[in-house]
Amino acid sequence: KAGVTQTPRYLIKTRGQQVTLSCSPISGHRSVSWYQQTPGQGLQFLFEYFSETQRNKGNFPGRFSGRQFSNSRSEMNVSTLELGDSALYLCASSFRSPQLDTQYFGPGTRLTVL
Amino acid sequence: GEDVEQSLFLSVREGDSSVINCTYTDSSSTYLYWYKQEPGAGLQLLTYIFSNMDMKQDQRLTVLLNKKDKHLSLRIADTQTGDSAIYFCAESANSGYALNFGKGTSLLVTP
Repeated sequence: KAGVTQTPRYLIKTRGQQVTLSCSPISGHRSVSWYQQTPGQGLQFLFEYFSETQRNKGNFPGRFSGRQFSNSRSEMNVSTLELGDSALYLCASSFRSPQLDTQYFGPGTRLTVL
Repeated sequence: GEDVEQSLFLSVREGDSSVINCTYTDSSSTYLYWYKQEPGAGLQLLTYIFSNMDMKQDQRLTVLLNKKDKHLSLRIADTQTGDSAIYFCAESANSGYALNFGKGTSLLVTP
């Protein structure tokens, strides 16, 4: 069974631009979560989706948004990029929810904002 | 939110055992996890323990859970240089839809 895939793996953008990251969960998994990883803050939860509905959102500004499609694939969007948005963005999937089932992570998208 | 605490750094010699400790906050967590992250890579699920268990063994890995003290530990037997990485402890959060991670323990294995 293929793992969680994320595209692109690396991205360089400039301040003020917007970016869209994509995540394909493990086949059969319906819960998709997004995390931001930075050296200073560590791993921080962004949001979680199940059946195209956002069930939980972390403490991030409205510039960070996401969505999930009917095939469980998910995208996250960051608008008006700031230097501080430079991070590794990790997607994770689980069958029903992180509480009930183990969660598997993708390799991440490394975003650099110049 | 509340923090999951881990020591930041551990150095061991190849062949020795490594013990990485973690204290968590949410007594209602269903699962507690250990993830491994190698440089430039995502998170790899190493093992997990269900909250009604005290211990779980999986080859070289032993997880111990003390619910009373909210303490979780990961023991790696016969540690190898390939085990050098950052190890994250995580708990499933109150809402059930997120994991709370510690800051990670950087394990260095020297020959």
